[in-house]
Amino acid sequence: EAGVVQSPRYKIIEKKQPVAFWCNPISGHNTLYWYRQNLGQGPELLIRYENEEAVDDSQLPKDRFSAERLKGVDSTLKIQPAELGDSAVYLCASSLARTYEQYFGPGTRLTVT
Amino acid sequence: QKEVEQNSGPLSVPEGAIASLNCTYSDRVSQSFFWYRQYSGKSPELIMSIYSNGDKEDGRFTAQLNKASQYVSLLIRDSQPSDSATYLCAVNGEYGNKLVFGAGTILRVKS
Repeated sequence: EAGVVQSPRYKIIEKKQPVAFWCNPISGHNTLYWYRQNLGQGPELLIRYENEEAVDDSQLPKDRFSAERLKGVDSTLKIQPAELGDSAVYLCASSLARTYEQYFGPGTRLTVT
Repeated sequence: QKEVEQNSGPLSVPEGAIASLNCTYSDRVSQSFFWYRQYSGKSPELIMSIYSNGDKEDGRFTAQLNKASQYVSLLIRDSQPSDSATYLCAVNGEYGNKLVFGAGTILRVKS
């Protein structure tokens, strides 16, 4: 069974530029999560989807971050414009349902210069 | 008070010893508890989940949960150098609404 797929794996951009990350969850997993992980910290939830619906986006900086999960499968997370403080690893995870184990993709390491 | 607390370490143990990793959490109604292993430059990998008080064993790993003390631990028996990684404790709330991670404990197994 294929795991969670993310792309790109690495991205370097200048501040104020836009950037987008893509995630394809494990087949059959209805719940999809986007996390951000800073160095030396655990992942922090940005947004959670139940199928197509964003049910928890309280930690998403909505002035510059947006996300979508069309058709309830793959998802895109966008930052526009990026700031220096956005440099981090962006992780996508999926689970069968919100109470089940979450499995992470390889992540996207974003560097904003 | 942080929601999930772990000693950052590093915890150093000799090869073949038992490594004991600890985690405390603040939300008394938490229902699900997970341990993830994260190698440097890699993403977290789920290694154990535990939902009820007591011990759960899987190979060399044993997870222990004490809800009354709001404490969960991970024991690694016969530690190997390949176990050297950061171990993240994660706790899910009553309705599974949010998985909260600790900052992780760095484990170093010396041969």
